[in-house]
Amino acid sequence: EAGVAQSPRYKIIEKRQSVAFWCNPISGHATLYWYQQILGQGPKLLIQFQNNGVVDDSQLPKDRFSAERLKGVDSTLKIQPAKLEDSAVYLCASSSAGQGARSGSNVLTFGAGSRLTVL
Amino acid sequence: SQQGEEDPQALSIQEGENATMNCSYKTSINNLQWYRQNSGRGLVHLILIRSNEREKHSGRLRVTLDTSKKSSSLLITASRAADTASYFCATANYGQNFVFGPGTRLSVLP
Repeated sequence: EAGVAQSPRYKIIEKRQSVAFWCNPISGHATLYWYQQILGQGPKLLIQFQNNGVVDDSQLPKDRFSAERLKGVDSTLKIQPAKLEDSAVYLCASSSAGQGARSGSNVLTFGAGSRLTVL
Repeated sequence: SQQGEEDPQALSIQEGENATMNCSYKTSINNLQWYRQNSGRGLVHLILIRSNEREKHSGRLRVTLDTSKKSSSLLITASRAADTASYFCATANYGQNFVFGPGTRLSVLP
């Protein structure tokens, strides 16, 4: 099966500009996650979708970050305006299981990530 | 927070040696998973252990879980240069999402 696709792989912008990242999860995976990974740190969850509904966006900086998954398949993460501290890799992951770990066997499949540099 | 915390932060070993890394967490969990991340790539799932399991094997990987101590360990036996990567534990509980630790950076020297 095809993996999780993300684009662009790399993006360099200046602060206060905007940027958008796209993710296409594994076909049939109902749950989609966006993680932010700052260099040297573990991934931090930004938002989780179950089909096209938001399950958890408690750590999403909503004043500048937005995400959508309109048809329950592809997803877009947008940052506007970007700050220097937004420099990170943005990872998309998908899972076939239900919300959180209720299935007891929720496994994440990650894309290669989109590396953002804010100057 | 249920965040996992890996230990050590960095580990350097010779090819053929075993590598052990540990993960500690703070709250009750449903399962704990280990992921590997090669430089510049996304994370890859390695192994899942449920809260009612104590040990699990997969190829050269051995994972243990001690829920009384809220800790887990990942053992990679007979390491290879290709095992060089960062390793993350992720904890999951009902109604919550996965929380990843800061990771252990493993270097396997030829």
